[in-house]
Amino acid sequence: NAGVMQNPRHLVRRRGQEARLRCSPMKGHSHVYWYRQLPEEGLKFMVYLQKENIIDESGMPKERFSAEFPKEGPSILRIQQVVRGDSAAYFCASSPQGFDGYTFGSGTRLTVV
Amino acid sequence: DAKTTQPPSMDCAEGRAANLPCNHSTISGNEYVYWYRQIHSQGPQYIIHGLKNNETNEMASLIITEDRKSSTLILPHATLRDTAVYYCIVSPLSGNTPLVFGKGTRLSVIA
Repeated sequence: NAGVMQNPRHLVRRRGQEARLRCSPMKGHSHVYWYRQLPEEGLKFMVYLQKENIIDESGMPKERFSAEFPKEGPSILRIQQVVRGDSAAYFCASSPQGFDGYTFGSGTRLTVV
Repeated sequence: DAKTTQPPSMDCAEGRAANLPCNHSTISGNEYVYWYRQIHSQGPQYIIHGLKNNETNEMASLIITEDRKSSTLILPHATLRDTAVYYCIVSPLSGNTPLVFGKGTRLSVIA
């Protein structure tokens, strides 16, 4: 049973470009969470999604950031017009319905140059 | 904001028990206590969780005080691979609620 798969592991983007981060949850998990970790800081919640629905996006910046979890395919975190401050590790976690234990992926390290 | 307080760092000798404390004095009756750890820059790893009874699994034991205002995570025989940041989190019972991570405790296991 594969764990939570995130790709790419490393992503380099120039300022102003778009970054797309993908997350495939564990088999049977219908809930996805995205977290961001700035260098030397803790994990900050960004958004919680279920299939085709955004449940909680209270941690998501209001501009340039969006997330989706379509009926088919992985969850996507999209960052438009990236800036240097977006450089961070982005972690995705998934959980099955009715259980609070998360399984995290290995993360995507975004570097904006 | 995180509802827990943990010491920023601790050291433990290899082979000894590591006891990591956590204060959660404002915990509600429907909130569980969860522990995760993050080794270097990897994704966080679930360790254990409990409501009010002590819990044990293959990784650790969780001791929750009777008034539920504090808890201790115990790694019975710490190894160098247990060096990590350990996060104590309280979360409602409602299911699939986003976990809020604090700063955690940086545990260094020393040979």
